[in-house]
Amino acid sequence: AQSVTQLGSHVSVSEGALVLLRCNYSSSVPPYLFWYVQYPNQGLQLLLKYTTGATLVKGINGFEAEFKKSETSFHLTKPSAHMSDAAEYFCAVSALAGNQFYFGTGTSLTVIP
Amino acid sequence: GAVVSQHPSRVICKSGTSVKIECRSLDFQATTMFWYRQFPKQSLMLMATSNEGSKATYEQGVEKDKFLINHASLTLSTLTVTSAHPEDSSFYICSARVGLAGGRVDTQYFGPGTRLTVL
Repeated sequence: AQSVTQLGSHVSVSEGALVLLRCNYSSSVPPYLFWYVQYPNQGLQLLLKYTTGATLVKGINGFEAEFKKSETSFHLTKPSAHMSDAAEYFCAVSALAGNQFYFGTGTSLTVIP
Repeated sequence: GAVVSQHPSRVICKSGTSVKIECRSLDFQATTMFWYRQFPKQSLMLMATSNEGSKATYEQGVEKDKFLINHASLTLSTLTVTSAHPEDSSFYICSARVGLAGGRVDTQYFGPGTRLTVL
């Protein structure tokens, strides 16, 4: 079984500051891990994903995430926040040969000018 | 690439009527499509998984007779909310994926969502 925990339902950062959104997962098999962003009244847009290989994954809009198996974590970071980064962010896990995504409860990111 | 569309984007209907929502993969063939429901300020809850040409698999607690899913082709899946009631008002999002060789899971590509309001 798989599950995802996102610590912090709301995160506020100043424009230009580091963004850190936390995601811990539980999986009985090697996981596939994803980060999605959702803007108001829109669907989900893939930011990045980890399947195999390099544990540091770079995505769109300057975001990156590192898969740490020992910590069962897949935290999302961005060195410098931009106003346009304000949105809801979802972490998701999927089993290697599975079919279903398990989403975290989401983190709302606010960027303060 | 990997664009998924949904139609309509918004729909308002009277209680007791049925509403059909379409989900299309525009530039790829989707072997599997998923339907999610999202309540305000909450995460996505998987409602059902549909594979082209076969019956949908519903998650526990989802009424099969109320939420009819048809996946008639590799690019189209429909969700029909039958006899809709105000409690069915929600944001419905579909996603589509292409299975990779060897049973590995590819990314799910999400549609823009459909806002259903039942009066």
